[in-house]
Amino acid sequence: EPEVTQTPSHQVTQMGQEVILRCVPISNHLYFYWYRQILGQKVEFLVSFYNNEISEKSEIFDDQFSVERPDGSNFTLKIRSTKLEDSAMYFCASKSLAGGSYNEQFFGPGTRLTVL
Amino acid sequence: GDSVTQMEGPVTLSEEAFLTINCTYTATGYPSLFWYVQYPGEGLQLLLKATKADDKGSNKGFEATYRKETTSFHLEKGSVQVSDSAVYFCALSDKKGGSEKLVFGKGTKLTVNP
Repeated sequence: EPEVTQTPSHQVTQMGQEVILRCVPISNHLYFYWYRQILGQKVEFLVSFYNNEISEKSEIFDDQFSVERPDGSNFTLKIRSTKLEDSAMYFCASKSLAGGSYNEQFFGPGTRLTVL
Repeated sequence: GDSVTQMEGPVTLSEEAFLTINCTYTATGYPSLFWYVQYPGEGLQLLLKATKADDKGSNKGFEATYRKETTSFHLEKGSVQVSDSAVYFCALSDKKGGSEKLVFGKGTKLTVNP
């Protein structure tokens, strides 16, 4: 069964460093998402991506964040200069554009980011 | 903006006990409602959904009914199993921005003991 994969499973970085979180969405999917969950808090939407551009972003997704689909299979989230408060579990999701009233978002297992 | 509030955990039950996890939402318009489940070490999986008022979503013995009058979508199961131990997330689909992003509750951790 196709699945969304994410690497690494755990990333530890120093404050101020750049990190890139990687996701491989399901191959025929066209909508891609990043969400995050700070420990003990809600899963929060960060950004959605369609047709090689951002379709929607939240207030959290400021200039320190960027997304890219560099090669038609990977979907990456970059944080340019990490802060302590960026420590969270980051989830990637994808969905198809098949017909129907609702298309399920399929989630990866997450990357735990720890900023020291 | 839209929001979801769900019952705080953790919840610990014995096998074959009845489960209820409460979920209420605040939204403009008529969102679709979902329960996602996360098993240890895995991603979020869609458990069930309901797209309009009075719809009942069901899967693997779990059920939830979309109640517009009480803005609720409580998750129930008549007899839980050890394998149901997981974190359960209530969510709604916000279509206003065009990408149909999900708005989640905090999650409720369920542990079922044999």
